[in-house]
Amino acid sequence: QKEVEQNSGPLSVPEGAIASLNCTYSDRGSQSFFWYRQYSGKSPELIMSIYSNGDKEDGRFTAQLNKASQYVSLLIRDSQPSDSATYLCAVTFGGSQGNLIFGKGTKLSVKP
Amino acid sequence: DGGITQSPKYLFRKEGQNVTLSCEQNLNHDAMYWYRQDPGQGLRLIYYSQIVNDFQKGDIAEGYSVSREKKESFPLTVTSAQKNPTAFYLCASSIQLQNTEAFFGQGTRLTVV
Repeated sequence: QKEVEQNSGPLSVPEGAIASLNCTYSDRGSQSFFWYRQYSGKSPELIMSIYSNGDKEDGRFTAQLNKASQYVSLLIRDSQPSDSATYLCAVTFGGSQGNLIFGKGTKLSVKP
Repeated sequence: DGGITQSPKYLFRKEGQNVTLSCEQNLNHDAMYWYRQDPGQGLRLIYYSQIVNDFQKGDIAEGYSVSREKKESFPLTVTSAQKNPTAFYLCASSIQLQNTEAFFGQGTRLTVV
């Protein structure tokens, strides 16, 4: 069973704080992990991808991957009201049916 | 501009009608996908295609059909057999099926009237 789990939120943080979003997945053999941002009524936009254990930083965003714990997270530093959106975690499940499975998303609200 | 174009943006369907959603990409990607999103829900995979003339069912393929006659195009038909078709439909593509980033079109919002 392919599962990607996220806390639905809403997660509320004040402007300038660090927002921490978490995701767990069921397949120990998964190799690729992605974070998408989706504004209300819009399509998902890719913001981070990570393929190996450890941290990957891109501007204010840091993705963290721990394959042993089957856990991937996204940190947003210096959160801005424009970061208010739903963040979707996605995982590629391998094997004969390789495809991209999404969690239900965490809604983030950044308060001015 | 390179990207994925979905049309139309909004679509209204009468009960018992088939409708076709268009998805075109000029990114030279091999893999293409169709997802459905319901309010407050995650994305659920309908169909995916790894290469021209090949496609596979996803988790919720019943009531849908696709074709992949050209690399650039992956249209989705919502048939009358789909009992609850009102949803936001998202097309995506990636360089290959596994372990590469997928990019989305702007979506088609389908409503049954």
